[in-house]
Amino acid sequence: SQQGEEDPQALSIQEGENATMNCSYKTSINNLQWYRQNSGRGLVHLILIRSNEREKHSGRLRVTLDTSKKSSSLLITASRAADTASYFCATVRMDSSYKLIFGSGTRLLVRP
Amino acid sequence: ETGVTQTPRHLVMGMTNKKSLKCEQHLGHNAMYWYKQSAKKPLELMFVYSLEERVENNSVPSRFSPECPNSSHLFLHLHTLQPEDSALYLCASSQDLGEELNTEAFFGQGTRLTVV
Repeated sequence: SQQGEEDPQALSIQEGENATMNCSYKTSINNLQWYRQNSGRGLVHLILIRSNEREKHSGRLRVTLDTSKKSSSLLITASRAADTASYFCATVRMDSSYKLIFGSGTRLLVRP
Repeated sequence: ETGVTQTPRHLVMGMTNKKSLKCEQHLGHNAMYWYKQSAKKPLELMFVYSLEERVENNSVPSRFSPECPNSSHLFLHLHTLQPEDSALYLCASSQDLGEELNTEAFFGQGTRLTVV
């Protein structure tokens, strides 16, 4: 069953703007990870946030986690055309140590 | 380059063919995964191996048969597939499995499979 659900499904912004993507999940998690996928290629890990963390930064990326609402957000600041890709959240559930379950993803288009 | 290599990158096969997908990692990881990515659907976890032992078979039809001869190699053997099996098949690895999977997964570039 699908664990993470990202929204929006698609997002189109102008270069330089910020992009915010959200992820909701259903069960208790150990950690939540965000990945990026360029069209038709493999996924690349961006950032991991543990269940006892609330916010994490990596370069232009900022991730928040609200375990009470079972949701996370990924913010990309000062977007660039090269940020155009699909972004997925993935969760590791507390009851299954090895199931890294992905959502459907958000397709981000950054217009130059 | 993530350190996980999949071959072939593209594969077209008939429904009566037998083919194999190969995945290789030299990252020293102990866990390897097969995922299926179809258009407009979430990534589906198919199989998980830890230290060459299968620990997860996510209700995958028997026409997909995984093999993990050692911790660096993972195969997916395909036979009598259906057109709906056409998808991007992604291999991934991670350092370990455990109660806290606090390590990232490294993905290969995928094999684009078309069943005709």
